Amino acid sequence: DAGVIQSPRHEVTEMGQEVTLRCKPISGHNSLFWYRQTMMRGLELLIYFNNNVPIDDSGMPEDRFSAKMPNASFSTLKIQPSEPRDSAVYFCASSPSSGRAGEQFFGPGTRLTVL
Amino acid sequence: TQLLEQSPQFLSIQEGENLTVYCNSSSVFSSLQWYRQEPGEGPVLLVTVVTGGEVKKLKRLTFQFGDARKDSSLHITAAQPGDTGLYLCAGAWSSASKIIFGSGTRLSIRP
Repeated sequence: DAGVIQSPRHEVTEMGQEVTLRCKPISGHNSLFWYRQTMMRGLELLIYFNNNVPIDDSGMPEDRFSAKMPNASFSTLKIQPSEPRDSAVYFCASSPSSGRAGEQFFGPGTRLTVL
Repeated sequence: TQLLEQSPQFLSIQEGENLTVYCNSSSVFSSLQWYRQEPGEGPVLLVTVVTGGEVKKLKRLTFQFGDARKDSSLHITAAQPGDTGLYLCAGAWSSASKIIFGSGTRLSIRP
């Protein structure tokens, strides 16, 4: 079975440009999470969805960040405009409704560099 | 403020030695997870502990949940280079899907 799929794996862009990160969760999983990981701040939850509905976006840093989940098999995280401090690894994770709280399956991440 | 504190932050030991990593919080969790992350990859779930005082073993790894469900430890016996990685604990509350990750312990095993 395919795991969580993220694209692109690496993204290098210039300050001010729009960046879109993509995620395909594991089929049948109804919760989807977006995280950001940096050396300084560790792994931070940005937003999560249950059944395609955003439940908690309190971790989204500011209005430049937005996330959507138009259907059960696809989600995007958009940064517009991007800034150098957004450079980080962004992870998408999913979990099934039948699973125990906290048991999440992570994608390989997207390494974003904003110059 | 970090809800989950892990210690030590960094640990470098010789192959064959034993080690313990700690995860502490002032919050009570309904369950606690341990994940391992290797360079260039996402975290991978190792174990979930649910009951206070629970002990789980995964080959050379022993996980314990504190009696009050606020803390946990991970003990590795006879560490091997393949154990190298970032170890993350995470706490979950039954009322929500989200979890809180600890600050992480970066483990390096020297051959």
